[in-house]
Amino acid sequence: DTAVSQTPKYLVTQMGNDKSIKCEQNLGHDTMYWYKQDSKKFLKIMFSYNNKELIINETVPNRFSPKSPDKAHLNLHINSLELGDSAVYFCASSPTLTGELDEQYFGPGTRLTVT
Amino acid sequence: AQKITQTQPGMFVQEKEAVTLDCTYDTSDPSYGLFWYKQPSSGEMIFLIYQGSYDQQNATEGRYSLNFQKARKSANLVISASQLGDSAMYFCAMRENTGFQKLVFGTGTRLLVSP
Repeated sequence: DTAVSQTPKYLVTQMGNDKSIKCEQNLGHDTMYWYKQDSKKFLKIMFSYNNKELIINETVPNRFSPKSPDKAHLNLHINSLELGDSAVYFCASSPTLTGELDEQYFGPGTRLTVT
Repeated sequence: AQKITQTQPGMFVQEKEAVTLDCTYDTSDPSYGLFWYKQPSSGEMIFLIYQGSYDQQNATEGRYSLNFQKARKSANLVISASQLGDSAMYFCAMRENTGFQKLVFGTGTRLLVSP
């Protein structure tokens, strides 16, 4: 029944490692997003994809690479993890790219801790 | 420039009372949407209510209503008859309709409901 799911929920890793976070939505939405919530709870968009096509890339370091194998999935791969990457990462989806009334549905978040 | 401003880092309210959470925004786009999300301590982001810039009436959704004052660029959330379960972080967000569904969030207000 879960609309937007993310795995894993928690991720603890060391600096320099490479890790991935997976996101899947079963809502049939066209558009998916990655947001980052920092330690002060500030939420900022990182990427958006529409039907597997990158639409928004908010000047995120190249170490972050999103991949969308199909419109129901948007994964986030992070290379050479740094302490500052510690945050909660939220995946979200919305029905369309430009629909005015479109609400964004958020996943449960992945808490990444880099030690 | 900050597009969404939430000036109340924390608010306290007693159970069964009403509370208003402030949000002001800044945009030159004539078409935009305003959203409120709730983030309980469990971490998920829960959509509460939406107001479109062309909507003539204030949005309402159960105990939530949005006091939309377009000329003042404010979109305050009113929670009536507060419940203990309303204790959470509340985020105001804006989507400019030329911005491909990118949500810009405020810094949030932490609401604590006391018995």
